[in-house]
This record gives sequence, structure tokens and C-alpha cells, in this order.
Amino acid sequence: DQQVKQNSPSLSVQEGRISILNCDYTNSMFDYFLWYKKYPAEGPTFLISISSIKDKNEDGRFTVFLNKSAKHLSLHIVPSQPGDSAVYFCAACLSGAGSYQLTFGKGTKLSVIP
Amino acid sequence: GAGVSQSPSNKVTEKGKDVELRCDPISGHTALYWYRQSLGQGLEFLIYFQGNSAPDKSGLPSDRFSAERTGGSVSTLTIQRTQQEDSAVYLCASSLSGQYSNQPQHFGDGTRLSIL
Repeated sequence: DQQVKQNSPSLSVQEGRISILNCDYTNSMFDYFLWYKKYPAEGPTFLISISSIKDKNEDGRFTVFLNKSAKHLSLHIVPSQPGDSAVYFCAACLSGAGSYQLTFGKGTKLSVIP
Repeated sequence: GAGVSQSPSNKVTEKGKDVELRCDPISGHTALYWYRQSLGQGLEFLIYFQGNSAPDKSGLPSDRFSAERTGGSVSTLTIQRTQQEDSAVYLCASSLSGQYSNQPQHFGDGTRLSIL
């Protein structure tokens, strides 16, 4: 049973426009959420995170929104750049579990078209 | 080194052989995690170390999988009697401490394991 779902396997966006990547989760006990970016043959790179007590966190061109009632989060990239082309993973953390292991979605491949 | 280092980067072996994968975490990071990513899947948690102890081994798929960590630093993931379904990219991550969820995990580039 997938606890973190990224329902769009791929997304194409024109350079300069907004990219919106979505993520849904089922476990209401998750209290921390992260987005990672992954290039081929490299490990995931931490991008941005948000605590469950917040609904928005912004870092430069990247903003993460959290809607707890809908168990939904999204990553907005504005403006999108060709270098943003990568696979984006949503991850959730359950502090009470003791190990802070991350539960990942299957990823969304973002292609930014010049 | 500056980041998490994993070796080898690629490993091809025959079914039934044992393999050892190595992870060198970021200096000073007490928490270390192993994940694996099978084709078309997200990352799947395997095991967590805090220092040299492993309080959470819940993700290890079978008793053919084991891991250890020595000196609070380097970790080795061992897979015995490998099977074709073990083929995956094995990723190691470390964080400053496993006690706070707001300390992100930093990943190595992984070991791509192929079982023939």
C-alpha cells in the first residue's frame, strides 16, 4: 500500500513558466515532508522541506505548499529553467517512528523545454 | 569527503554470490540510512543506524540482507546468495542526527547492482 503517491509520472513545461508537481499521502501522522531532485546516475539531492505545522515554505524559485486536510502537497518552480529537468521525489517522515526514515513517492520526471 | 561516498558505483554478479556495498557518510553525521530503488519504483527504506547501532531494521526484505556500521562512520550492506530480484540501485544517506525530522538526509550516488 503506497503511503506517498505522485500520480503524474511525467510533466513537460515551457522554460520561464511555472512547474507544479503534486504529491498525495495517506498517513495523517506524517509530520515532515521533503522534495528531492534526482539527475540520472546521481543520488537524490535535497531541495526543500516543510513541517506539518506550516502550509507554505519558500526558497528562491521553489515553494512547497501543504494542505493537511486534503493530505496533499505541491512543489512550485517559478520560473522553470532547463536545468530543472530531472526526476522529483516527494518524501514524508514520521517522527514518532523513531528512525525518521523517509517514505518516497515514485517520482515525477520534469522536462523543461527551452 | 564533502558528500556521501558509495562504492562500488556499479556491481554485476552472478545469482547466488554474496555482495558487499560500502557507504562512507558525511563526516560528523551520526545517522545513516540504506534505501534501494528498483526499476520504476520509489526509494524503499532498508535500515537505519544511529551511531553503530541499528534501531530500525524493518525494511530489510529477507535474512539474506544484513548491514553493519563501525566507528560511527563507514557502513557495509551485505547481500548473501543474491537473487535476480535484488537487482536495484542501493542508496545510502546520512544526516546530522536521526533525532530530529528537520535535518534532511543527504544521499550518495548509489551502487547499481545487477544480478545475472
